[in-house]
Amino acid sequence: AQSVTQPDIHITVSEGASLELRCNYSYGATPYLFWYVQSPGQGLQLLLKYFSGDTLVQGIKGFEAEFKRSQSSFNLRKPSVHWSDAAEYFCAVGDSTGFQKLVFGTGTRLLVSP
Amino acid sequence: DAMVIQNPRYQVTQFGKPVTLSCSQTLNHNVMYWYQQKSSQAPKLLFHYYDKDFNNEADTPDNFQSRRPNTSFCFLDIRSPGLGDAAMYLCATSQGVITGEQYFGPGTRLTVT
Repeated sequence: AQSVTQPDIHITVSEGASLELRCNYSYGATPYLFWYVQSPGQGLQLLLKYFSGDTLVQGIKGFEAEFKRSQSSFNLRKPSVHWSDAAEYFCAVGDSTGFQKLVFGTGTRLLVSP
Repeated sequence: DAMVIQNPRYQVTQFGKPVTLSCSQTLNHNVMYWYQQKSSQAPKLLFHYYDKDFNNEADTPDNFQSRRPNTSFCFLDIRSPGLGDAAMYLCATSQGVITGEQYFGPGTRLTVT
């Protein structure tokens, strides 16, 4: 069965600084990988996804992520964080049995300091 | 805009009193999912419908049931809510193909008193 580990529960970044959120997955086959963002009291919004091809994927709101098979990682990055990026970020892995059943990591809460 | 709608956004129920949460979608997706998300935890899949086919996760309690009367609507019924069922309940939809991403509704926050 697939699993996702997000080792950082909280991260604080200064506004304008760069950001990297870590995600490690476990899955026997080619993984389908996702990053979602959740603002307080809201549902999840898809930031970006990886299915195949170019290992560097671009998403919305200036986010990107890099798939590294050798490290079983799919880290999320942003070059310059804005205060509005403060939220909970979830990495997820989907299976390849025909439709997307997602397994989520426990999330990383991003705090942005002035 | 096509979207996933959940009603109500906040629901308060009493211990043991049945409650129904509603989800509707205008995306015409054939798969609908229900997730439970407890405070500071990851969303956990309860079950999903692929068209009319119901698929229950192995560890979903019997207390949780679901109905999907048509493509657009899906309901989550909690027959006898306990204090441990207080959570955010998220509905999501997808096109049901391998590359089909999931679209989430805003969630219903359930409080059990």
